[in-house]
Amino acid sequence: SQTIHQWPATLVQPVGSPLSLECTVEGTSNPNLYWYRQAAGRGLQLLFYSVGIGQISSEVPQNLSASRPQDRQFILSSKKLLLSDSGFYLCAWSVGRGYGYTFGSGTRLTVV
Amino acid sequence: TQLLEQSPQFLSIQEGENLTVYCNSSSVFSSLQWYRQEPGEGPVLLVTVVTGGEVKKLKRLTFQFGDARKDSSLHITAAQPGDTGLYLCAGPMDSNYQLIWGAGTKLIIKP
Repeated sequence: SQTIHQWPATLVQPVGSPLSLECTVEGTSNPNLYWYRQAAGRGLQLLFYSVGIGQISSEVPQNLSASRPQDRQFILSSKKLLLSDSGFYLCAWSVGRGYGYTFGSGTRLTVV
Repeated sequence: TQLLEQSPQFLSIQEGENLTVYCNSSSVFSSLQWYRQEPGEGPVLLVTVVTGGEVKKLKRLTFQFGDARKDSSLHITAAQPGDTGLYLCAGPMDSNYQLIWGAGTKLIIKP
């Protein structure tokens, strides 16, 4: 069966520090991968998506970047965090267009 | 521009009551998905509806896709506290691999 792992679950980082959030998927090949950010109790904002190794599409200009160094690994990064980067970050995968997403359990990032 | 509007934004009812939440658009979607999210967790896919007029049931939850494939509803019968959560609808964009998301309905079922 397919599983998705996202870590860490919570993170408190000072302003100006770097960030690396990792997401890995098991049990499938060539998944579509997504990074979302969610405001408290509300809808999802797509940050990045990837349909293959090294292929990254960015949806929102921001202080973040994403990479896909391996087929089932998706990394969200920042060189210097801002206070506005605080939020709940979710990684997800799907088998293709129109199919449902499976989400990781999320990372609560607080920038102080 | 494809948009999904969910209503109500917030709903608080007593255990045992019935409720319906809506997901509406002016655009046609090839399918719509419903998710439930609990605090501090990622959304979990409940169902995908594909055919206009389709009705799917998941225990006490009934999902319907509009005949014109522009809207969907989620009806919960005899709501229980375990149904509490944020309910999100989503549909695939015409042009790429993304999903369009509604803003969600926050549902609280009081014992």
